[in-house]
Amino acid sequence: SYVLTQPPSVSVAPGKTARIACGGNNIGSKIVHWYQQKPGQAPVLVIYYDGDRPSGIPERFSGSKSGNTATLTIGRVEAGDEADYYCQVWDTSSDRVVFGGGTKLTVL
Amino acid sequence: QLQLQESGPGLVKPSDTLSLTCTVSSDSIYSSSFYWGWIRQPPGKGLEWIGSIYYGGSTYYNPSLKSRVTISVDTSKNQFSLKLPSVTAADTAVYYCARQFTADDAFDIWGQGTVVTVSS
Repeated sequence: SYVLTQPPSVSVAPGKTARIACGGNNIGSKIVHWYQQKPGQAPVLVIYYDGDRPSGIPERFSGSKSGNTATLTIGRVEAGDEADYYCQVWDTSSDRVVFGGGTKLTVL
Repeated sequence: QLQLQESGPGLVKPSDTLSLTCTVSSDSIYSSSFYWGWIRQPPGKGLEWIGSIYYGGSTYYNPSLKSRVTISVDTSKNQFSLKLPSVTAADTAVYYCARQFTADDAFDIWGQGTVVTVSS
């Protein structure tokens, strides 16, 4: 079955850039979505179709793909960005939604 | 603004059936060409997709749960439901319902989630 691999944690200082990786076999051929989840809250879609932002999501959030890795980039990180982040794809070989294991972003 | 609201028992006994409903407000499940999904999150763990249903009734299920899960839609009540029989402690989780434009799409609107504990 298809697996998405994320680092368990990423730390970044306020004002710096955070990059959260999501690795998967041939992920370049898949569409990647990203979610932000704060404690006790439902996930919120922050990036869809690899790099598009829903209405209301700051331009500081962007998505990209290269090789077998998709990356969520958060520029000028703020304390309010501290959360868990999940990547998601659709695996066409098994017709199922796959989530990455999640990455906890800590703002130092 | 479309809203989703999960409802159902917060406590289920082992070997019983977990039944949850998601009510869709401000929109009609029947008139909208969306998929409606269930996702769960065990305590302290990540997100697990359970399955998704099209308003017309076609479904996609997580292969790891497919033998146990049933997702159905009731257009007359603007609701869709999840049934998971023979539950164990491993089914304890926050259960979310959410909307997708297509089965391979992102979940753009989520319910607030409902906690389900499996315990005797």
